[in-house]
Amino acid sequence: DGGITQSPKYLFRKEGQNVTLSCEQNLNHDAMYWYRQDPGQGLRLIYYSQIVNDFQKGDIAEGYSVSREKKESFPLTVTSAQKNPTAFYLCASSPLDSNTGELFFGEGSRLTVL
Amino acid sequence: QQPVQSPQAVILREGEDAVINCSSSKALYSVHWYRQKHGEAPVFLMILLKGGEQKGHEKISASFNEKKQQSSLYLTASQLSYSGTYFCGTGAGLTGTASKLTFGTGTRLQVTL
Repeated sequence: DGGITQSPKYLFRKEGQNVTLSCEQNLNHDAMYWYRQDPGQGLRLIYYSQIVNDFQKGDIAEGYSVSREKKESFPLTVTSAQKNPTAFYLCASSPLDSNTGELFFGEGSRLTVL
Repeated sequence: QQPVQSPQAVILREGEDAVINCSSSKALYSVHWYRQKHGEAPVFLMILLKGGEQKGHEKISASFNEKKQQSSLYLTASQLSYSGTYFCGTGAGLTGTASKLTFGTGTRLQVTL
């Protein structure tokens, strides 16, 4: 079955540590996205990529980094510079030529900083 | 600026109807609706484009009033499976627009027996 796989589902981190969240898709989509979800704040875009080896900052990119070395993979690193990293992180993908603009989401990774 | 959704939460009995509104302070080209069940990934419901076209998806339909810069999601004869959080995403374009989407804060819908 095609879809998006995020791992780990739950992650605990000590302050000052970097952590990397994995996102893999087998939908052959060109575009991939990372969103952060906090209670009562909806989804906010962190980074997105429309092509391999290229990515753009979203609305809240500070303290995060990404890479896009393969079409299928778009890992997100939460660095120690992110002041409030505890959140639910969602990865998504979409085809660039879609006439619906539909986003396909993974099931998310919940990061807790201790 | 995030679109504003109302109500923030609603509880329905099975079979009742509900309306969820999404309003933006900016001119819109498209409005996207998603539903997220607890602990699951958001799922795409529909997209509405500039032109006010109403769309339908089973017993869930939506309208888009570009003059008022708002969209409404209509849930008819609600079922238990409709429970979840509904998000609207407002966009400035169509193709590749996910990077231009701004999501609302969500409306929590609970359907009870």
